[in-house]
Amino acid sequence: KAGVTQTPRYLIKTRGQQVTLSCSPISGHRSVSWYQQTPGQGLQFLFEYFSETQRNKGNFPGRFSGRQFSNSRSEMNVSTLELGDSALYLCASSSTMRTETQYFGPGTRLLVL
Amino acid sequence: AQSVTQPDIHITVSEGASLELRCNYSYGATPYLFWYVQSPGQGLQLLLKYFSGDTLVQGIKGFEAEFKRSQSSFNLRKPSVHWSDAAEYFCAVGADYGGSQGNLIFGKGTKLSVKP
Repeated sequence: KAGVTQTPRYLIKTRGQQVTLSCSPISGHRSVSWYQQTPGQGLQFLFEYFSETQRNKGNFPGRFSGRQFSNSRSEMNVSTLELGDSALYLCASSSTMRTETQYFGPGTRLLVL
Repeated sequence: AQSVTQPDIHITVSEGASLELRCNYSYGATPYLFWYVQSPGQGLQLLLKYFSGDTLVQGIKGFEAEFKRSQSSFNLRKPSVHWSDAAEYFCAVGADYGGSQGNLIFGKGTKLSVKP
């Protein structure tokens, strides 16, 4: 079974631009979560989607948004990029929202110049 | 508010020595607890998880963790460390009172170095 895939793996943008990151969950998984990882703040929860509905949202500004499609694939978008948005963005999927193991993808490393 | 504390930022152990990584949590209900490992440039891999039942949890790669409610701790242990265990380890708690795994609160991580 293929794991969680994230595209692209690396990305360089400049301040003010916007970016879209993609996550394909493990086949059959309906829950997708996104996390931001930075050296200073560590791992922080962005949002969680289940069956195309956002179930939870972390404490991030409105510039961060996401969505989930009917095939469970998810995208997150960051508008008006700031230098502080440079981070590793991790996506995780699970088959349900509760006791099932959450599997993480390799992440997308975003550098904002 | 829920939180996770990993007091040790960096630990160095000799290969073959035992290991214990500390994790303390703050949570208002029965916690769902996890340990993940991250190798450089990689995503997170689940080592073990605790939802309920036996407080001593066995995981992959020879790791185990013990849930101690009285101490709000969930320490990770391994009896004999291998050089391949060098990585960063994260403790996490499920932040949703409904038990959703999708909203995890992570500790800052403990970086493990292994001496030959």
